[in-house]
Amino acid sequence: EVQLVESGGGLVQPGGSLRLSCSASGFTFSSHALHWVRQSPTKGLEYLSAISHDGGATYYADSVKGRFTVTRDSSKNTLFLHMTSLRTDDSGVYFCVRSDSYGFPYFLDHWGQGTLVTVSS
Amino acid sequence: DIVMTQSPDSLAVSLGERATINCKSSQSILYTSNNKNYLSWYQQKPGQPPKLLIYWASTRQSGVPDRFSGSGSGTDFILTISSLQAEDVAVYYCQQYYTTPLTFGGGTKVEI
Repeated sequence: EVQLVESGGGLVQPGGSLRLSCSASGFTFSSHALHWVRQSPTKGLEYLSAISHDGGATYYADSVKGRFTVTRDSSKNTLFLHMTSLRTDDSGVYFCVRSDSYGFPYFLDHWGQGTLVTVSS
Repeated sequence: DIVMTQSPDSLAVSLGERATINCKSSQSILYTSNNKNYLSWYQQKPGQPPKLLIYWASTRQSGVPDRFSGSGSGTDFILTISSLQAEDVAVYYCQQYYTTPLTFGGGTKVEI
């Protein structure tokens, strides 16, 4: 069974940093692209970032480009999202998502339960 | 960015009746070289992540009941629940994966 478990969310002040992790199991980690999607009441579902199966290609939405960095560690079957210069509108639930492909774009077939990030002073 | 517009915003349907959700993309998401529409549908219940129902506009994900069906091509798509069950109460989203950024519709809330 495919499982994606996010961690690392929490309360952070504007301008602060946070690192999200996503532990993956139940599939061949190095064969799938992975993604981060955010959900908030104000913006709905928002596609943030992607990384190809081997880490050779990455994508960032304009809203996070230059502030967020996506990486993956195949030795630990873990996806990361390093977030800096956080703003109040970065608040939301962050989902780790798998696609049934080596690269992107592609449809998103398995989602983690999400981790809540709140940016507030 | 490709804008995905869903209608209606919410829908009340009696048990056993048909529910129809519309999704329109701001440009064609039909890739002519393989004749595939890069459109997926997701179901999200309260407190849960979205769940993939349909991809390539009309292919049901494994384990999804056959009362769910997708249709359409180009810019106009439909998700149909042929006979609504109590467990189908949820918010439904369409999404294009024709190009980055992947974009989602605003969601349609289906109630009994």
